[in-house]
Amino acid sequence: DIQLTQSPSSMSASLGDRVSLTCQSSQGIGNYLSWYQHKPGKPPKPMIYYATNLADGVPSRFSGSRSGSDYSLTISSLESEDTAIYYCLQYDEYPFTFGSGTKLEIK
Amino acid sequence: EVQLQESGPGLVKPSQSLSLTCSVTGYSITSNYWGWIRKFPGNKMEWMGYISYSGSTSYNPSLKSRISITRDTSKNQFFLQLNSVTTEDTATYYCARWGYNNYDYYFDYWGQGVMVTVSS
Repeated sequence: DIQLTQSPSSMSASLGDRVSLTCQSSQGIGNYLSWYQHKPGKPPKPMIYYATNLADGVPSRFSGSRSGSDYSLTISSLESEDTAIYYCLQYDEYPFTFGSGTKLEIK
Repeated sequence: EVQLQESGPGLVKPSQSLSLTCSVTGYSITSNYWGWIRKFPGNKMEWMGYISYSGSTSYNPSLKSRISITRDTSKNQFFLQLNSVTTEDTATYYCARWGYNNYDYYFDYWGQGVMVTVSS
C-alpha cells in the first residue's frame, strides 16, 4: 500500500498566520491526492482535490501545491474556524490510503 | 442537494456482523461511486471500499473477505456488512460519494457518521 506521511502531527499557530501542512507519498501518485478537514462531530469536508484544485465552497485562503512526491496544504491567513484535523488521501492506487493527519490549533 | 445518512446499530458483539445502511437523497446511486470510510479512536482513517454506479465493488485488502458492500437501487441505498468483528473494528463509520467535479474525483458528499462500538 502507498504510505502517506503527514507533518507535523500537530501544530498551533496564531490568527492571521500563514500555515503549511505537508503530506509525503512513499511512491509516485501524480496529482491524485486530496485534502480533507475534519472537525469533531462533523463529517470530513473536502478542501483540495487533484493536488491543487479547490473543492466547492472552500475559501480562497486555502490552496494546494505539489513538489515531486511532497504535497502541501497552505492556509494564507489562519482563521479561528480552521481549527481541525487535516488529512491527505491518495487515490492513485487501490487501496486508497489516508495520511495520519495534522491537528491544527489556534494559539 | 445530495444528502447521505448512515443508520445501524451502535453496539455489536465480537465475532458478530456489523451491518450499516447509507440512505441517499437528491442523487441516484446508479451514477458515480459510493464508499465507506471509517475513523478509529486515535484519529486514523481507513478507506474500506466502494460500490460503483454499475454495482461493481472494490475493497480494501486489509479487510480480506470480511467485507461486503451491496445496494438496493429501488430504495437508493447502499449497505456495508463487516463480518467477524473484533474490538479493533470500533470506529465511526461514514458513507460518502466519490464524485467527479470539474477536474477529477473526490469524496464530495458525506454522511454524518455513525459510531459503532464492538463490545460484549
